[in-house]
Amino acid sequence: EAGVAQSPRYKIIEKRQSVAFWCNPISGHATLYWYQQILGQGPKLLIQFQNNGVVDDSQLPKDRFSAERLKGVDSTLKIQPAKLEDSAVYLCASSLGVNTEAFFGQGTRLTVV
Amino acid sequence: TQLLEQSPQFLSIQEGENLTVYCNSSSVFSSLQWYRQEPGEGPVLLVTVVTGGEVKKLKRLTFQFGDARKDSSLHITAAQPGDTGLYLCAATHLYGQNFVFGPGTRLSVLP
Repeated sequence: EAGVAQSPRYKIIEKRQSVAFWCNPISGHATLYWYQQILGQGPKLLIQFQNNGVVDDSQLPKDRFSAERLKGVDSTLKIQPAKLEDSAVYLCASSLGVNTEAFFGQGTRLTVV
Repeated sequence: TQLLEQSPQFLSIQEGENLTVYCNSSSVFSSLQWYRQEPGEGPVLLVTVVTGGEVKKLKRLTFQFGDARKDSSLHITAAQPGDTGLYLCAATHLYGQNFVFGPGTRLSVLP
């Protein structure tokens, strides 16, 4: 079974630029998560989708971050404009549903300079 | 957003020693997962516990879910350098839907 796919693997941008990350979850998984993991910390939930609807986006900085999951499959996370403190690993995960095990991609390491 | 706490934050031990790390919250969990994360990789699921008082063993790792389903522990017997990594607990609370992580315990096992 293919795992969660994320791209790009690494990205370096200057502050105030825009960036987008892509995630393809495991086939059949209804729930998709985006996490931000700053070096040395645990992952922080940014947004959780159930199919193409948002379950929780309470910690998403909506003035600069946006995410969508069109057709309830792939998802993109965008940052516009980026700040230095956005440097982190952005992890995508998927699960069959709420309260079931989540499987993670390898993440996208973003460096904002 | 409900909070998960983990302790200790850092742990450095010698090969062959035993250790226990903890995860707790003031809220009741519907289920709890333990993950291990190595540098440059996403977290990898170790175990899921669901029933209060449940104990699960995975080779040298023993996971316990508290009777009240508010806390969990991970015990490693005879730690090896390959056990080095970030150990994360994650959970969905009883009346919640969002899946959140604790801050993790960073374990270093020295040869």
